[in-house]
Amino acid sequence: EDQVTQSPEALRLQEGESSSLNCSYTVSGLRGLFWYRQDPGKGPEFLFTLYSAGEEKEKERLKATLTKKESFLHITAPKPEDSATYLCAVLGRYGGSQGNLIFGKGTKLSVKP
Amino acid sequence: DTGVSQNPRHKITKRGQNVTFRCDPISEHNRLYWYRQTLGQGPEFLTYFQNEAQLEKSRLLSDRFSAERPKGSFSTLEIQRTEQGDSAMYLCASTGGRAGELFFGEGSRLTVL
Repeated sequence: EDQVTQSPEALRLQEGESSSLNCSYTVSGLRGLFWYRQDPGKGPEFLFTLYSAGEEKEKERLKATLTKKESFLHITAPKPEDSATYLCAVLGRYGGSQGNLIFGKGTKLSVKP
Repeated sequence: DTGVSQNPRHKITKRGQNVTFRCDPISEHNRLYWYRQTLGQGPEFLTYFQNEAQLEKSRLLSDRFSAERPKGSFSTLEIQRTEQGDSAMYLCASTGGRAGELFFGEGSRLTVL
């Protein structure tokens, strides 16, 4: 069964304090790993797609990396506006024809000024 | 605003009543998804449409749930005989591009008393 585990559940950082979020996954034939950001009371917002081990994607202060078993979301010099829940999701070979994503529970990031 | 629109944003109902949610996707997107999210959990896949055809339904989707997408435009999700366990945020998403890169609406929050 496809599974996604995110850690830590919550992370508190001071502004400027860099850190990483972890996403471990088990999937039958990875077709893609996805990172989303979710603000309270809103729907998730797409950030990155990673397809193969060794791939990296960057956007502003965020950098996502992928290995065969896990993905990391690195946050460099975070700002308070980076506070949100970050969700990791996978799309497996048997997860539906077009996008039956399996999501983790998310990491709630709080960045204090 | 050309994003995914969901109505109503909030619905409070009594156990046993029927409720219906509407989703208007981004106009050029042919694929539409419904997900459900409870507090502290990631979104859980419910069902998926390509144009007007419902191609996938989660095994977890009770017979009390039904979704339609007439004419391949907006979609409705109906829950009959609501139960307290149906209380959740119901998220709609659409895409016209790569599988897994979804545009989510802000959700419809259901509270069943």
